[in-house]
Amino acid sequence: DQQVKQNSPSLSVQEGRISILNCDYTNSMFDYFLWYKKYPAEGPTFLISISSIKDKNEDGRFTVFLNKSAKHLSLHIVPSQPGDSAVYFCAASARSGGSNYKLTFGKGTLLTVNP
Amino acid sequence: NAGVTQTPKFRILKIGQSMTLQCTQDMNHNYMYWYRQDPGMGLKLIYYSVGAGITDKGEVPNGYNVSRSTTEDFPLRLELAAPSQTSVYFCASSRTGGRVGSPLHFGNGTRLTVT
Repeated sequence: DQQVKQNSPSLSVQEGRISILNCDYTNSMFDYFLWYKKYPAEGPTFLISISSIKDKNEDGRFTVFLNKSAKHLSLHIVPSQPGDSAVYFCAASARSGGSNYKLTFGKGTLLTVNP
Repeated sequence: NAGVTQTPKFRILKIGQSMTLQCTQDMNHNYMYWYRQDPGMGLKLIYYSVGAGITDKGEVPNGYNVSRSTTEDFPLRLELAAPSQTSVYFCASSRTGGRVGSPLHFGNGTRLTVT
């Protein structure tokens, strides 16, 4: 049972345009959402996050939007650059017994930005 | 500025062999994790630790063991390697374990093949 879903395995955009990566979740207990970026042969790198009490968080070219009623979040990259080409993982965190939290990851979306 | 360091980068094992994947972090994080990533899949949690001397199972712990004798180190042991354990293994650490404002920081992974 996938609690975090990234339904698009891949996305291709032109340099300079907007990239929109989507993520849906089913667990209403998730209270912290993160995006990670992963290049081949490297580990995932933290990109941006958002708390469930907010609906938007912006960091430079990257903005994450959260729609709690729809259980949906999206990552916008504007403008997209060839160096943004990577796999993007959506992750969500919820309390998992006691004071521990558990992070659940989606399967990832491969973004290709064409020059 | 090392962060999370994993060794080795690559390893080929024969069925039934054993090995230890090493992980060390220099950020003084209490929380440490082991994930595996299979092709086209998200990251699955194998084991985690909330501090020295404390470990617990994740989603897919069978066939693995861990120990946490120091804050810095969190080795993952495979006792009887099986082809199903062919995967890329990522170690991660976090200051407060997935709570808001505390993302996980990942190493660059160990690619393991069992034949």
